[in-house]
Amino acid sequence: EAGVTQFPSHSVIEKGQTVTLRCDPISGHDNLYWYRRVMGKEIKFLLHFVKESKQDESGMPNNRFLAERTGGTYSTLKVQPAELEDSGVYFCASSHGGTALSGYTFGSGTRLTVV
Amino acid sequence: AQKVTQAQTEISVVEKEDVTLDCVYETRDTTYYLFWYKQPPSGELVFLIRRNSFDEQNEISGRYSWNFQKSTSSFNFTITASQVVDSAVYFCALSEPDRGSTLGRLYFGRGTQLTVWP
Repeated sequence: EAGVTQFPSHSVIEKGQTVTLRCDPISGHDNLYWYRRVMGKEIKFLLHFVKESKQDESGMPNNRFLAERTGGTYSTLKVQPAELEDSGVYFCASSHGGTALSGYTFGSGTRLTVV
Repeated sequence: AQKVTQAQTEISVVEKEDVTLDCVYETRDTTYYLFWYKQPPSGELVFLIRRNSFDEQNEISGRYSWNFQKSTSSFNFTITASQVVDSAVYFCALSEPDRGSTLGRLYFGRGTQLTVWP
């Protein structure tokens, strides 16, 4: 089966611009998570979708971040306007849900650099 | 307070040495899950192991072994006879199930950069 796919793999934008990250989870996985790692720090939770609904968005840093999951399939994470501190690696993960045995599968991440 | 602590920021060893990566966690739940992930230079997070809180049996997988001790809230990871390809950042993580058996968010440690020199 195909894994979790993230696009783009790298993005360099100027402060004030808008960037949209995309995540395609494993087909059939209801749970989709976004995480972020700022340089040298821990990977931090941003939000959790169950199908198209936001189960937990308590990790979203501020209202410049907007996540959507159209029809419970792929998800986008938009940063508008981007700030320097938004630089980091954004990971997406998916899981089947309903059982803790299935675990998470992570994508390769999107490295965002805001200059 | 951080839920997962990886006190070792960087470790360097020479090939064939054994190395242990430490992980200490904090939770009030009786049911929880612990994970180790590897992040090689290519950037993806590679799943290594998942342990639930009711299973304290240590596990060995090839050159990898894990020592889970609830008494000290630790879940340490040992690589035996390290190889250059083991060079990566290793993350320990904790999950506290949300609404029953569904996996909740992961709490990660800051990671340990392991460098294995030839």
